Amino acid sequence: QKEVEQNSGPLSVPEGAIASLNCTYSDRGSQSFFWYRQYSGKSPELIMFIYSNGDKEDGRFTAQLNKASQYVSLLIRDSQPSDSATYLCALRAGDKIIFGKGTRLHILP
Amino acid sequence: GAVVSQHPSRVICKSGTSVKIECRSLDFQATTMFWYRQFPKQSLMLMATSNEGSKATYEQGVEKDKFLINHASLTLSTLTVTSAHPEDSSFYICSAQTGGDGYTFGSGTRLTVV
Repeated sequence: QKEVEQNSGPLSVPEGAIASLNCTYSDRGSQSFFWYRQYSGKSPELIMFIYSNGDKEDGRFTAQLNKASQYVSLLIRDSQPSDSATYLCALRAGDKIIFGKGTRLHILP
Repeated sequence: GAVVSQHPSRVICKSGTSVKIECRSLDFQATTMFWYRQFPKQSLMLMATSNEGSKATYEQGVEKDKFLINHASLTLSTLTVTSAHPEDSSFYICSAQTGGDGYTFGSGTRLTVV
């Protein structure tokens, strides 16, 4: 059973600071990982995907993958109130996407 | 980019009735469609995978006779919740693979059974 674990939060971060979101997974064979953002009542939006060890940057977002530790993280720089949402970590299992429970992020103005 | 159109966005139905949710891929062919359910403050749970022209594959614990999935064409997949009960009230979301690690999601359907 492939599992994705996240702290449900809420994680409160002051506006302008760095938000750090973490995720661990159980299947060492997993190759592709995703971070999605979900606003209340809406479907998930892809922030980025990563499949190589190390960092991947896209604007204010940086995903980090450490396959040896089975750990994925997402850093959000210069956090904005509009970043307040639930962030879902996910991995690909075959053709399926398996989601973690999500971390609620609250950016404090 | 690839778009999946999901309808209706919101539906209220009486207990015991059936509700159909449609997902259409607008500018690509969706060989496979994934159906998720999300309860309040919970994550997306995969219910089933539908493949065009064949029977859907259901995840463990999902009643196939209650959640009927039809994927009759490469652009349309439907989920019918039969004999709906209040505990079926949830947010239902479809997703299609667009190639490689690309997945696009429908906008979701909020089902309320009264």
